[in-house]
Amino acid sequence: DVKVTQSSRYLVKRTGEKVFLECVQDMDHENMFWYRQDPGLGLRLIYFSYDVKMKEKGDIPEGYSVSREKKERFSLILESASTNQTSMYLCASRGLDSSLRGSPLHFGNGTRLTVT
Amino acid sequence: GQQLNQSPQSMFIQEGEDVSMNCTSSSIFNTWLWYKQDPGEGPVLLIALYKAGELTSNGRLTAQFGITRKDSFLNISASIPSDVGIYFCAGQLSAGNNRKLIWGLGTSLAVNP
Repeated sequence: DVKVTQSSRYLVKRTGEKVFLECVQDMDHENMFWYRQDPGLGLRLIYFSYDVKMKEKGDIPEGYSVSREKKERFSLILESASTNQTSMYLCASRGLDSSLRGSPLHFGNGTRLTVT
Repeated sequence: GQQLNQSPQSMFIQEGEDVSMNCTSSSIFNTWLWYKQDPGEGPVLLIALYKAGELTSNGRLTAQFGITRKDSFLNISASIPSDVGIYFCAGQLSAGNNRKLIWGLGTSLAVNP
């Protein structure tokens, strides 16, 4: 089974702090994703990465950056945390698919971040 | 970003009842996915659909890829308490490995034992 591990289940940070959310997958997947989940807003894509050192903005990248130095690890960075970044953050990975079918995402269990 | 229209937004049912939920889109998809998120966990894939008209089952769950390729349905038969959670649909717009998923806002299901 694919395992996507997020380093923290719960984090509490202060406004203005630099925050790192870490995600590791063990299935040698090329694609990795960061989403945030808020009540009534569903899953919103922040950033994704097709391969090592490659990244692309999702729908809500403002206030975030990412790092993919190794294939198995994808980090989400909040340069200066703000209260409106209080949310559940979900990491996901997906392998390449040689067919035209959509290879499903595999999610971690999430990091609930509170910014005070 | 684009989102799917998923309904109903929430459901509260009695154990043993059947459940139906659906997603619609103005865009054509070539893949539909249904995920379930248990409280405090990440979403887990339930069913993947790859062909218009396809009907696929996973235990008590059945999902269909609409013939127009703009909608999908998920049915749960004889619900049990562990069916509680949020169900998400997701559609994929294009082929290739840089394809992006479009998500519904979720259907929150509560089951009264």
